[in-house]
Amino acid sequence: DIVMTQSPDSLAVSPGERATINCKSSQSVLDSSKNENFLSWYQQKPGQPPKLLIYWASTRESGVPDRFSGSGSGTEFTLTISSLQAEDVAVYYCQQYYSTPLTFGGGTKVEIK
Amino acid sequence: EVQLVESGGGLVQPGGSLRLSCEVSGYTLSDHYMDWVRRAPGKGLEWVARSKNKINGYTTEYAASVKGRFTISRDDSKHSLYLQMNSLKTEDTAVYYCARAAYLRGFDYWGQGTLVTVSS
Repeated sequence: DIVMTQSPDSLAVSPGERATINCKSSQSVLDSSKNENFLSWYQQKPGQPPKLLIYWASTRESGVPDRFSGSGSGTEFTLTISSLQAEDVAVYYCQQYYSTPLTFGGGTKVEIK
Repeated sequence: EVQLVESGGGLVQPGGSLRLSCEVSGYTLSDHYMDWVRRAPGKGLEWVARSKNKINGYTTEYAASVKGRFTISRDDSKHSLYLQMNSLKTEDTAVYYCARAAYLRGFDYWGQGTLVTVSS
């Protein structure tokens, strides 16, 4: 099984400041045939289902604000919120869909400082 | 508009059974992989089961924690996905979500979730 490890567990950021979340996979999720990382990021607000933000490690889902960006390849990935807004308070998860069992990181809770 | 609506959650005793349903609309169910994902209280997201699409023979896969106890199925004519849960344990307590797997993109649509509580 591919283990996904996120850090930090939580962070508090002032409005307008940058938030950075890290995700490491225990093995590469780069698909060599498609040259894409099978890594997605989700945002989950209280009482709501998760929402897909990023797929292929760095491609924003339609409608997602451009302050959200993803980077990384292989086993190390980052989600960056360039200028935190109040509505970004949520738990963020990375997920690999390279192989089953599909696995998620433990989540990072983002709060306003 | 794509929609996924779960039902069937509730309170059940340890060792009991429950069947969850997920009715979908706005797309052709048979074209997509469909999954169940859960979130236990105070915990993160956990993948539970997968039903591949028609072209892949509706093959199913399970997390080790539920294999042999849970069964995922679908009825495309009823636009519905199911999760039969048997031999339930207290650690199965969670909100269960059905989710549509977009081709090579992760889960692009989710239901609102249904709460399953396993307790005596």
